[in-house]
Amino acid sequence: SQQGEEDPQALSIQEGENATMNCSYKTSINNLQWYRQNSGRGLVHLILIRSNEREKHSGRLRVTLDTSKKSSSLLITASRAADTASYFCATDYGTGNQFYFGTGTSLTVIP
Amino acid sequence: DVKVTQSSRYLVKRTGEKVFLECVQDMDHENMFWYRQDPGLGLRLIYFSYDVKMKEKGDIPEGYSVSREKKERFSLILESASTNQTSMYLCASSVLQETQYFGPGTRLLVL
Repeated sequence: SQQGEEDPQALSIQEGENATMNCSYKTSINNLQWYRQNSGRGLVHLILIRSNEREKHSGRLRVTLDTSKKSSSLLITASRAADTASYFCATDYGTGNQFYFGTGTSLTVIP
Repeated sequence: DVKVTQSSRYLVKRTGEKVFLECVQDMDHENMFWYRQDPGLGLRLIYFSYDVKMKEKGDIPEGYSVSREKKERFSLILESASTNQTSMYLCASSVLQETQYFGPGTRLLVL
C-alpha cells in the first residue's frame, strides 16, 4: 500500500500542552498535506508543505518534512479543547492527481 | 470560500438497491474524488476524475461506478448495494496537486 502512516494512533493531552504527531510515507512525493477531521464531518485542510521545503508554520501549527527519512511531523502548540479531532497526513504520487491518506491520529485535548 | 456539497448526510438503503451519491463543487476545480472512510482503515480512494467524462480507478473501485457529465458534479453509483458498503463516503475537489476541499460526508447504512 502507498498509504501513509500516522503515529501515534491516539494522543491525549491537557489543554495548554503541545501535541506532536508524525507521518511516514513510502515513496517520493511532490507535497505533503495535513488535514483535520472533527467527529462525523469532512476533512479540513490545515497546511501544505512541498518536497523542497523543510518547515512551515501557520498560526499554532508547525510542520516539518524530512524527505530523506520520508517523514513529517505536525506540532500544535498551546493546545485547546477545540483542537480535539483526528489529524491525517496526505501525500501525492506520480502525476499528483491522486492523494494517499494515512489512518489518522486521534487527538483529545482535556480542558 | 470553496464549497463542496453532498446530496445527503445520512442514507439508509436495502441490499440490492441502486444508490446514487451526488457531489457538487463551486470552484471550477478540475479534479474530483470519492473516498470511503472506515474505522482503522482511514480514507481509501474509490474513483477520481480529472476532467469531464474522464475517470480513473482508485484503490477500491469494485462495486462502484462514477459519472462526471459536468465539471462541477461528480456522482458515485453503487449498482447493487451490499452490507459491506456501509461506510462514510467523502467527496473532495482540488486543483491538480494542491489542497483538497472536502464535503461534509454521507453516512450510508445498507441493511
